[in-house]
Amino acid sequence: AQSVTQLDSQVPVFEEAPVELRCNYSSSVSVYLFWYVQYPNQGLQLLLKYLSGSTLVKGINGFEAEFNKSQTSFHLRKPSVHISDTAEYFCAVSEKAGTALIFGKGTTLSVSS
Amino acid sequence: DAGVTQSPTHLIKTRGQQVTLRCSPKSGHDTVSWYQQALGQGPQFIFQYYEEEERQRGNFPDRFSGHQFPNYSSELNVNALLLGDSALYLCASSLDRGAYEQYFGPGTRLTVT
Repeated sequence: AQSVTQLDSQVPVFEEAPVELRCNYSSSVSVYLFWYVQYPNQGLQLLLKYLSGSTLVKGINGFEAEFNKSQTSFHLRKPSVHISDTAEYFCAVSEKAGTALIFGKGTTLSVSS
Repeated sequence: DAGVTQSPTHLIKTRGQQVTLRCSPKSGHDTVSWYQQALGQGPQFIFQYYEEEERQRGNFPDRFSGHQFPNYSSELNVNALLLGDSALYLCASSLDRGAYEQYFGPGTRLTVT
């Protein structure tokens, strides 16, 4: 069965510093990988996705993620964060396009000045 | 272009009651998925509807049921409410053919007292 582990529940960081949010998954088959962001009292917004091809994926708002099959990881990075990046970030996996997403428990990113 | 919409925004019910939540998918989308997000947790997949039939189901009891209408909108019904059903219920829509992304609505906050 698929599962997703987000290794950090909270990540505090200062504005303009780099950040990495870690995500590991377990699956016996090929997977599709996603990062979603959730701002307070809102639904989820897709940041980026890995389907196939290049292992470095670029998304919206300056975020990028790297798929590492050997380490079954899909870590999210941003070289310089802003206060407005403060939110909950979720890593998700699915085995087939358009089917159920399996989410991690989330990482709270807190950006302070 | 309207995104995914959900109603109502908030709902308070008493244990044992029944509730119906509604979702209208993004324009052009034909598949609707429902997720439950408990406080401080990642979303958990409930079920997915396509062509007015339940195509995939997560690990939720039969108290949770759904429906999809010919216009692709969907309802989630929960019977015999328990305190543990208190959560944010998220609807996501996608396009069955070549669909890789699920677009989420803002959610319905259900409180069971």
